[in-house]
Amino acid sequence: DAKTTQPPSMDCAEGRAANLPCNHSTISGNEYVYWYRQIHSQGPQYIIHGLKNNETNEMASLIITEDRKSSTLILPHATLRDTAVYYCIAGLMDSSYKLIFGSGTRLLVRP
Amino acid sequence: GAVVSQHPSRVICKSGTSVKIECRSLDFQATTMFWYRQFPKQSLMLMATSNEGSKATYEQGVEKDKFLINHASLTLSTLTVTSAHPEDSSFYICSASHPGQPHSYEQYFGPGTRLTVT
Repeated sequence: DAKTTQPPSMDCAEGRAANLPCNHSTISGNEYVYWYRQIHSQGPQYIIHGLKNNETNEMASLIITEDRKSSTLILPHATLRDTAVYYCIAGLMDSSYKLIFGSGTRLLVRP
Repeated sequence: GAVVSQHPSRVICKSGTSVKIECRSLDFQATTMFWYRQFPKQSLMLMATSNEGSKATYEQGVEKDKFLINHASLTLSTLTVTSAHPEDSSFYICSASHPGQPHSYEQYFGPGTRLTVT
């Protein structure tokens, strides 16, 4: 399993874009990049995933570099409710694949 | 969307007793469920993978005789912490995958169970 590296904490102002980086330099060709987040004292929530193309859904955008060694999760208009720990995970697209969580990035959205 | 529930949400027990935590997939059948443990200000640590009708697969360092996992049906997995001690106090979270669906890569997490052993 590819290891991911994220900054321990970040902050942004409410209404501004939050850009959360992730390094995954050892990712293999068939591993996807998944993003989950965990709001305090709750279970994690799936955000988005991608292989090599940029992806966008109703929650966020995912930008993956051409060499796939890093990616950025973008929350276009952060709200206070986006304050959470964000986890970047490299893994296979398999429903039985176990997610190995790293330390994540603690995002604080400031009013 | 798919919903996973856990019961109880909080439990306090005395040292030496056993505690059972239930994880249910409410609107889908989950052939695979996962159990995690999370200590304060730390990340989630995978404890075991639970497959319906078969023995759970435990991660290295997790005592299978202490953390008993049963996945007797496609909608229910249970984690029993046997002979609990204060160091077992933690936040226990389960997740389930929904195979055969368009978003089968997504894992759905329960809300967690906070165990306090006194």
